[in-house]
Amino acid sequence: AQSVAQPEDQVNVAEGNPLTVKCTYSVSGNPYLFWYVQYPNRGLQFLLKYITGDNLVKGSYGFEAEFNKSQTSFHLKKPSALVSDSALYFCAVRDMIKAAGNKLTFGGGTRVLVKP
Amino acid sequence: DTEVTQTPKHLVMGMTNKKSLKCEQHMGHRAMYWYKQKAKKPPELMFVYSYEKLSINESVPSRFSPECPNSSLLNLHLHALQPEDSALYLCASSHGLAGGRKNEQFFGPGTRLTVL
Repeated sequence: AQSVAQPEDQVNVAEGNPLTVKCTYSVSGNPYLFWYVQYPNRGLQFLLKYITGDNLVKGSYGFEAEFNKSQTSFHLKKPSALVSDSALYFCAVRDMIKAAGNKLTFGGGTRVLVKP
Repeated sequence: DTEVTQTPKHLVMGMTNKKSLKCEQHMGHRAMYWYKQKAKKPPELMFVYSYEKLSINESVPSRFSPECPNSSLLNLHLHALQPEDSALYLCASSHGLAGGRKNEQFFGPGTRLTVL
């Protein structure tokens, strides 16, 4: 089985400050991990993924995420948040081998509000 | 072309109507997906197609009928829906289903469905 937890329903941050969105996962094997962002009334946009290799993954729009195997975490970070980063963020996982149909399991989502 | 397109953007239908949602991609992807997303919730997988064959049906009621006429198109036929079926319906595609570096799913903007 695979699962994802995003412990914060909402994160508030001032523009220019660092932004962190937390994600922890559980899979029986090795994970593929993804971050997606969703703006109001829009589909999900792919931000970044971890497959193997470097634990620090860089993605779109200045976002990055750090894979921590011992803590089973994949937190999303941005050094300096913009008002335009306000959106709903989803973490997702699939088991590298066992996820039939490339099935993703999504976290519950974290709403990010960046205030000017 | 790195887009997944969906039509219509909005659809209002009665419980006795028959309608269809359409999804198209020209990225050469051989896997396509339908998701249902309720407000402020993560997407829920409904169907997975691989090489134009149904690979996964997540126990979706028969009033939802998917169809994959070719590798670029995915339809979702709707009949006798209930008001609780009102949601954002998202289509996604990926290179394939197996684990690998190119397995991220790319999402369309969605169709906002309202069932009266």
